[in-house]
Formats: sequence, structure tokens, C-alpha cells
Amino acid sequence: DTEVTQTPKHLVMGMTNKKSLKCEQHMGHRAMYWYKQKAKKPPELMFVYSYEKLSINESVPSRFSPECPNSSLLNLHLHALQPEDSALYLCASSQHSGSPYNEQFFGPGTRLTVL
Amino acid sequence: AQKITQTQPGMFVQEKEAVTLDCTYDTSDPSYGLFWYKQPSSGEMIFLIYQGSYDQQNATEGRYSLNFQKARKSANLVISASQLGDSAMYFCAMREAGGSQGNLIFGKGTKLSVKP
Repeated sequence: DTEVTQTPKHLVMGMTNKKSLKCEQHMGHRAMYWYKQKAKKPPELMFVYSYEKLSINESVPSRFSPECPNSSLLNLHLHALQPEDSALYLCASSQHSGSPYNEQFFGPGTRLTVL
Repeated sequence: AQKITQTQPGMFVQEKEAVTLDCTYDTSDPSYGLFWYKQPSSGEMIFLIYQGSYDQQNATEGRYSLNFQKARKSANLVISASQLGDSAMYFCAMREAGGSQGNLIFGKGTKLSVKP
């Protein structure tokens, strides 16, 4: 099973709201990732978790707060977002984060609109 | 300099014909992996095929094959017998052994449209 699931599929929120995006994988992967993708652009890496520890934060604003409760789950907590944060948020996982030979499997994404 | 270059913003192909999507890469790292992903309009990034820098043979997965020319630093995706469902954005990507942990470097993508 090469499935990564994400909820919700769509999310509309105001700038004062607090919401969370959820991601789950059951492939036994030890690395999980959050990406942000704007329309007609490639995905941009936001965070990397390796063995449930945050290993990379690509200078993401603090209004995005990741959390990895266990090896299968990854959350992205959102607070006080801006309209320019509207994008497709993709979660991915791979066996390990350090190897160049592991493919990353992506979830279907959450389309976020910030009003 | 761009590490992954996809020179074709858009491509058209007739149904049932083969199509080649170009990808060139730039790295001095001897150990790297090359990946192709398909992204339909629904948004999901679907992993298609992988080629390791030390692999002697070109990777194949069903109708997908990767034409790996290491000396030319190219990793073109060949889709045989195109289907209407192949219409999507295609991204070429690379990971370097010495690169930032987890860093999958993407090209800008090629939008493929399959005509009936």
C-alpha cells in the first residue's frame, strides 16, 4: 500500500482562524514532509520530519506549526494566515530522509483558501 | 543555475502515440536519484519512475521509461501509447546524496495534453 492520506481535501479559513491539516501514512516510512505548491509552480519544501523529529524547517513563518505525534501522523497547525498563504499543501513520506534513492510518496493535498 | 531544467512548458500528443518529456540536470554529486512525478488537475503528485545515478540500465515501469544519459546529464521520460488520462503536469526531480536532507529539487514542469 503506497498511500498517503490527507484531510481535509479543501479548507477555507479566515485570517483569524486556527485550523489543522492532517496527514497519515502506513508504509512504515520514517520521514515525512510538508510542501506548499502555488498554481503552475513546483512544490516548495516547508518541513521535514525524520524519526519523528523536526530535521528541516525551510525558514517557514511561525504561523505554520508542524507536529509529528507518531511515526504515521503529521499535522500542520495554521494560525493567523495571510491570503498569500492560499495554496495546495502536500504531505509526503519516504523510507528515510537522507538517502537520494528513496522515492517520496505524496498525498492528494489540501487546497487551502485564506480569506 | 537551475539544477533541474524542463524546457517544454507544454506538449501535445495524439492518443496512442509515444511522447518524450525532456529533463536535464546539473550536479557534481556522484550519488543522486532522479524521479518523475505526474500531477493531474486534482492535485495529487503521483510517483511514476526512479533512476539512480549508479544504475546501469534505464528504468521502466509499465508504459513509462526513463532515458538516462549520464554523460549528457539528461533523464527524459518516455510515455508509450499515450492515453487521455495521461493529460497532466509532469515534474522531473532530483535528490543529491550530499544535498540538504529531504531536499527534492523539482523542475518547473511540463504540461502534457493528449488529444483524442
